[in-house]
Amino acid sequence: GEEVAQTPKHLVRGEGQKAKLYCAPIKGHSYVFWYQQVLKNEFKFLISFQNENVFDETGMPKERFSAKCLPNSPCSLEIQATKLEDSAVYFCASSQQGHGSEAFFGQGTRLTVV
Amino acid sequence: EDQVTQSPEALRLQEGESSSLNCSYTVSGLRGLFWYRQDPGKGPEFLFTLYSAGEEKEKERLKATLTKKESFLHITAPKPEDSATYLCAVPNDYKLSFGAGTTVTVRA
Repeated sequence: GEEVAQTPKHLVRGEGQKAKLYCAPIKGHSYVFWYQQVLKNEFKFLISFQNENVFDETGMPKERFSAKCLPNSPCSLEIQATKLEDSAVYFCASSQQGHGSEAFFGQGTRLTVV
Repeated sequence: EDQVTQSPEALRLQEGESSSLNCSYTVSGLRGLFWYRQDPGKGPEFLFTLYSAGEEKEKERLKATLTKKESFLHITAPKPEDSATYLCAVPNDYKLSFGAGTTVTVRA
């Protein structure tokens, strides 16, 4: 598609429940990135993929977060056993050539953990 | 650690009142500087990429410029629809480092 599509738009989970977020990158883009926006404008990098391979996962809290980008499927970000501090907006972005080229962002998924 | 600092934090303008936003950065080997616009409840919308000092890009009432240490986003004769948060970002290894943004409010 011509834009990055994220679903769902909103997600509410009880503490300890699982949350799964989806992202369809722009067709032809090889790189996918996940960011977490907690405070008003603070973006925290989580993970990036080059096609289906993890490129950089230095921002991921690995004990509860996992992510995949499989061929012919939307990419996914999964949080096991959510905590209150996971409440945030999660953005997916895609680009043609990694972060040396423009990254286009989806509209985000707002996760609220109660 | 690469740093991106934006100022001011907030800017309130009257319609037609031109102004500039600043983005200063410390990065070894700049591989581009990106400007985004973010509206409430939306994802960042790509505006410009600048790669080298002296480069300028324009889009409608916005013009972005780049020096060796900072970038400016000039808003000429703004309209209320230019109200948004403007973010700058630089590549830092294989991820983007974002500034905290400047929230611009344009009153009619």
